Amino acid sequence: DQQVKQNSPSLSVQEGRISILNCDYTNSMFDYFLWYKKYPAEGPTFLISISSIKDKNEDGRFTVFLNKSAKHLSLHIVPSQPGDSAVYFCAASRGDRDDKIIFGKGTRLHILP
Amino acid sequence: DAGVIQSPRHEVTEMGQEVTLRCKPISGHNSLFWYRQTMMRGLELLIYFNNNVPIDDSGMPEDRFSAKMPNASFSTLKIQPSEPRDSAVYFCASSSLQGRNGNQPQHFGDGTRLSIL
Repeated sequence: DQQVKQNSPSLSVQEGRISILNCDYTNSMFDYFLWYKKYPAEGPTFLISISSIKDKNEDGRFTVFLNKSAKHLSLHIVPSQPGDSAVYFCAASRGDRDDKIIFGKGTRLHILP
Repeated sequence: DAGVIQSPRHEVTEMGQEVTLRCKPISGHNSLFWYRQTMMRGLELLIYFNNNVPIDDSGMPEDRFSAKMPNASFSTLKIQPSEPRDSAVYFCASSSLQGRNGNQPQHFGDGTRLSIL
């Protein structure tokens, strides 16, 4: 039973264009969502997060959008740069529980020159 | 600041052997997490500790897996006996906030790539 789903295993985007990574969740009790970025042979690093009381959070080139009614969130990267090529993990947690985070399986983003 | 430190980075051993993975969390962090990453299942939480106490070990696959945190600066994940299906990348992560991770994301080590032959 996968509570956090990233249905696109991979995505290729031209450098300079917008990258949009999508994530769906099934548990309506999730109230905090995170995106992590992972390079080969390294651990995931935190990128950006959003609380369920918001529908948008922006940090530089990265923006996360949350649609609670659809149980859907997306990460927008604009403009895309070669260094953005990595695996992106969507994750979710419940504020009334503990520190546990549920991760999706990841989407591999490849930025084309 | 040193990040989360895991050792070894790579481990290759024969099935049936005992494997011990080690983790040093970031100083001052009071939550520690062990994850396993595989192609099929992605990133799975195995167990986590708050203030050195195991809180949730529901992700530990079998009794062959055990984890300890004897003090705030060290944790081990042990597999005994190991099996080929245990081959994966094992990550350790730590965070500084107990009970609400919203503003304190987890920091990951670079992982241990484990191969059981």
